[in-house]
Amino acid sequence: DTGVSQDPRHKITKRGQNVTFRCDPISEHNRLYWYRQTLGQGPEFLTYFQNEAQLEKSRLLSDRFSAERPKGSFSTLEIQRTEQGDSAMYLCASSPRASGANVLTFGAGSRLTVL
Amino acid sequence: RKEVEQDPGPFNVPEGATVAFNCTYSNSASQSFFWYRQDCRKEPKLLMSVYSSGNEDGRFTAQLNRASQYISLLIRDSKLSDSATYLCVVTGYGNKLVFGAGTILRVKS
Repeated sequence: DTGVSQDPRHKITKRGQNVTFRCDPISEHNRLYWYRQTLGQGPEFLTYFQNEAQLEKSRLLSDRFSAERPKGSFSTLEIQRTEQGDSAMYLCASSPRASGANVLTFGAGSRLTVL
Repeated sequence: RKEVEQDPGPFNVPEGATVAFNCTYSNSASQSFFWYRQDCRKEPKLLMSVYSSGNEDGRFTAQLNRASQYISLLIRDSKLSDSATYLCVVTGYGNKLVFGAGTILRVKS
């Protein structure tokens, strides 16, 4: 494994359903980030973990969103009661250092379409 | 005001041209600066870090002006393969990376 893996790559769901995305970071990286990107915009920060600890969560993230990284390895991002405005690309990234700003390696993303 | 602002473009240039992109940021405490490249429907990838003294990587030159809170990227001798969206990235509050909306570059033969 030489990169960040995300699953599923595409998800189409109906409004009101729950969805979960998984991210497997580069194995030696201890920081993991979730970003969201919509068309014509740059990636928007959602949350990040250092090992299993969730250190920051964007105030833009409603309580319908929850992320976990239970063993400090893979992470999941769950969206409950999806809304059409949740349609976006959800990007996971990881970085190797425990502190300071880091270079991020992104996964290919999970594209969500809410009908 | 957005934390990172970029001209969205598109910049349409012929092969071999020199093109420059600018970016401004609002957080004077930002410590790290980057340019990422994003191809259509792909994930962002690091192009280069930006250092206070300016730095060059082949045809690409990045510069930082902390006083004006301004970052630039210069691409010389543009190639068709340089066509992409270029994202300006700075560290934000809490040290997370904050991305601009990107500048679209189209290099034409």
